[in-house]
Amino acid sequence: GNSVTQMEGPVTLSEEAFLTINCTYTATGYPSLFWYVQYPGEGLQLLLKATKADDKGSNKGFEATYRKETTSFHLEKGSVQVSDSAVYFCALSDSGLYGGATNKLIFGTGTLLAVQP
Amino acid sequence: DGGITQSPKYLFRKEGQNVTLSCEQNLNHDAMYWYRQDPGQGLRLIYYSQIVNDFQKGDIAEGYSVSREKKESFPLTVTSAQKNPTAFYLCATSGQGNSPLHFGNGTRLTVT
Repeated sequence: GNSVTQMEGPVTLSEEAFLTINCTYTATGYPSLFWYVQYPGEGLQLLLKATKADDKGSNKGFEATYRKETTSFHLEKGSVQVSDSAVYFCALSDSGLYGGATNKLIFGTGTLLAVQP
Repeated sequence: DGGITQSPKYLFRKEGQNVTLSCEQNLNHDAMYWYRQDPGQGLRLIYYSQIVNDFQKGDIAEGYSVSREKKESFPLTVTSAQKNPTAFYLCATSGQGNSPLHFGNGTRLTVT
């Protein structure tokens, strides 16, 4: 079945360092891919998304490119801030072989990012 | 101010008691979802509903029940049959087509 694998954390960086959080997926059909962020004690917020191969999602300095050839959707940011400290989740839409309308998401296990001043 | 309200934020119950978690939305979204979050396991889908008066089991529905009598509301009942009910529960909604999920702020349930 469909699944998402993302790198285990925690990832600890100094402020202004470069960030990469790896995410790979297994899927049939043509899923959309998402990154969500969860700040302490809160629900998840959509960070960015990509709906087809070679699409690049971007938001708040974060970027991820939908790579079908490597089944990857790695999250990157050029210069992290203390305020970026959170748990990041990679997810894919379980939309089935023909890209149906369900929005069921399959999530990775999450990666905790801790940015130190 | 549109959004998803989950209440209460913290909930404590004794083992053997049923407990109902509330989820209300004013986004006019058709679909609603319940996820469970445990440390190191990410989010797992419990139940979802794509339309009023209809709902489907997710990956871990055993020990849970839901209802969808109104578009705005999708309460989740954690029954005494759920073996490990202590967790963080997240409600989400989505609109038409392939639109992304919107999440509430969650309810942390502790059963002792």
